[in-house]
Amino acid sequence: EDKVVQSPLSLVVHEGDTVTLNCSYEVTNFRSLLWYKQEKKAPTFLFMLTSSGIEKKSGRLSSILDKKELFSILNITATQTGDSAVYLCAVEAASNTGKLIFGQGTTLQVKP
Amino acid sequence: NAGVTQTPKFQVLKTGQSMTLQCAQDMNHNSMYWYRQDPGMGLRLIYYSASEGTTDKGEVPNGYNVSRLNKREFSLRLESAAPSQTSVYFCASSERGNTEAFFGQGTRLTVV
Repeated sequence: EDKVVQSPLSLVVHEGDTVTLNCSYEVTNFRSLLWYKQEKKAPTFLFMLTSSGIEKKSGRLSSILDKKELFSILNITATQTGDSAVYLCAVEAASNTGKLIFGQGTTLQVKP
Repeated sequence: NAGVTQTPKFQVLKTGQSMTLQCAQDMNHNSMYWYRQDPGMGLRLIYYSASEGTTDKGEVPNGYNVSRLNKREFSLRLESAAPSQTSVYFCASSERGNTEAFFGQGTRLTVV
């Protein structure tokens, strides 16, 4: 059974801290891994990773994939209160349909 | 710049009632999806449509039906609502595989 597991499930930090969110997966026919940020409503896209070892970066956020060990990390440096959200990891597997298998999400709270 | 539009945003049903959730996208995407989100469980795929005229079951299809009316629209129907279907429902679309999915704003459904 395809599975995506995120850790930790929740995290509380203070502004300025650096956080690392983890996502491990067991899927057949891996195609890509995606990270989303969810505030009040719809998840919004952050990164898509398909190749091992290539870091994707956007401002203070970065992510990398390890296809040998079957995991990805999402790093956020110099956290701000606006980073408070649920971070979702998802994997596209099997055929070219785009359907995603999601992890449970990590709830990040950044305190002033 | 509408993206993915879902209606309604909120709905309360009595057990046994039926309803249809509507979803439309204006990005000319081939694939569309319905997910439900429950606390601590991430997003789970209910049904998806890889292209106009096709639909397939996802992880949790029981109690639901879908219709891909045309390339733009993908509706989700609950024939006889049950309290276990209380959830937040998200519609999403993507070009196909290895591309990000775009999400609607969600429908919060409560079945009493």
